[in-house]
Amino acid sequence: EPEVTQTPSHQVTQMGQEVILRCVPISNHLYFYWYRQILGQKVEFLVSFYNNEISEKSEIFDDQFSVERPDGSNFTLKIRSTKLEDSAMYFCASSKSGGRADTQYFGPGTRLTVL
Amino acid sequence: GQQLNQSPQSMFIQEGEDVSMNCTSSSIFNTWLWYKQDPGEGPVLLIALYKAGELTSNGRLTAQFGITRKDSFLNISASIPSDVGIYFCAGQPIADNAGGTSYGKLTFGQGTILTVHP
Repeated sequence: EPEVTQTPSHQVTQMGQEVILRCVPISNHLYFYWYRQILGQKVEFLVSFYNNEISEKSEIFDDQFSVERPDGSNFTLKIRSTKLEDSAMYFCASSKSGGRADTQYFGPGTRLTVL
Repeated sequence: GQQLNQSPQSMFIQEGEDVSMNCTSSSIFNTWLWYKQDPGEGPVLLIALYKAGELTSNGRLTAQFGITRKDSFLNISASIPSDVGIYFCAGQPIADNAGGTSYGKLTFGQGTILTVHP
């Protein structure tokens, strides 16, 4: 069964450093998402992406964040200058369409630790 | 923005017991979803609900989309040890924060931690 994959599984970085989290969505999916989950808290929407542009973003997704689909298979989240409060699990998800009836499949997540 | 209130926060039950959890919102949602998350993993979809009043089952799981479109519940019958995990409700709003079309953004509840004692 196709699945969303994410790398790395755990990333440790120093405050102020740039990090890139990588995702490979399911191959025939067209909508891509990033969510984050701070330890012990709920999953929060960051951004949705379709047709090589951002469709929707949350207040969390400020100028420090960017997303890119550099090729036909990868979808990346970049944090330019990490802060301590960026420490969280980051989940990538994908769906065939962005419509109400479509299921979002989540990857296993990348645990980001900012020191 | 849209907020989901999920309860209870945690449940400790004996194997074989039934479980019920619910989510409410002050906003209308287009779609209600229930996910389960095991430690260190991503959320896995359990049940999706698309119409107000819809009642859907998936094995021992049953979920309903409230008539007002502002609430949903999930029931687990005859719980087993592998039901342990965190259960999240999630809703897909009708519109984004600016009142435009929402392209699949999910709003999650705070989660219900389920512990099943053998």
